[in-house]
Amino acid sequence: QVQLVQSGAEVTEPGASVKLSCKASGYTFNTYYMHWVRQAPGQGLEWMGIINPGGDSTTYAQRFQGRLTMTRDTSTSTVYMELSGLRSEDTAVYYCAREYVDTLTYQFGMDVWGQGTTVTVSS
Amino acid sequence: SYELAQPPSVSVSPGQTVSITCSGNNLGNKYAYWYQQKPGQSPVLLIYQDTKRPSGIPERFSGSNSGNTATLTISGTQAMDEADYYCLAWDSNTGVFGTGTKVTVL
Repeated sequence: QVQLVQSGAEVTEPGASVKLSCKASGYTFNTYYMHWVRQAPGQGLEWMGIINPGGDSTTYAQRFQGRLTMTRDTSTSTVYMELSGLRSEDTAVYYCAREYVDTLTYQFGMDVWGQGTTVTVSS
Repeated sequence: SYELAQPPSVSVSPGQTVSITCSGNNLGNKYAYWYQQKPGQSPVLLIYQDTKRPSGIPERFSGSNSGNTATLTISGTQAMDEADYYCLAWDSNTGVFGTGTKVTVL
């Protein structure tokens, strides 16, 4: 079945970096965009960024510019999200989610989500 | 930056209809998407491109979008619909989620 399986929980210190993975299976990996979305404890969803199927184009939310890097490895059907300069406010559950975008750039919504990875930033 | 506002909470009796609004500047000129999230679970896509339901989403969920407001309507609300609901739209190639609405089924 179609699924996105994310890496395990991380506990890290302020100023450090974290790199999360999201492994896709059950569908043609290089036909879908991938998003990263996070949710701080008790808070709403926050869109972080998107990477295209080829992995050569990314768009990040303004607030993460300079700290966020998304990459993808077609050989392993895995997408990575690295966030640097961590602070306590980055403590959250991080989700990957796929989306199909057609040739006319119509977006079909994030229809499959990973299970989430908890990142805790604490000294 | 673009913002989408939702009411923090709404309540509904089982079997009744509830509407959740999502307000943003000229939102009607963009596509709206709706997601449902239950406690401890990943979000689920309910509505895409304003009005379309992915396969497997019950017909009681419907969407509309006009002017500055997108609306998610749940008809014949069931206890299982108790959850948080988020709208999403795209502005300048970036995604923006609404503030979220908690739906309580009394």
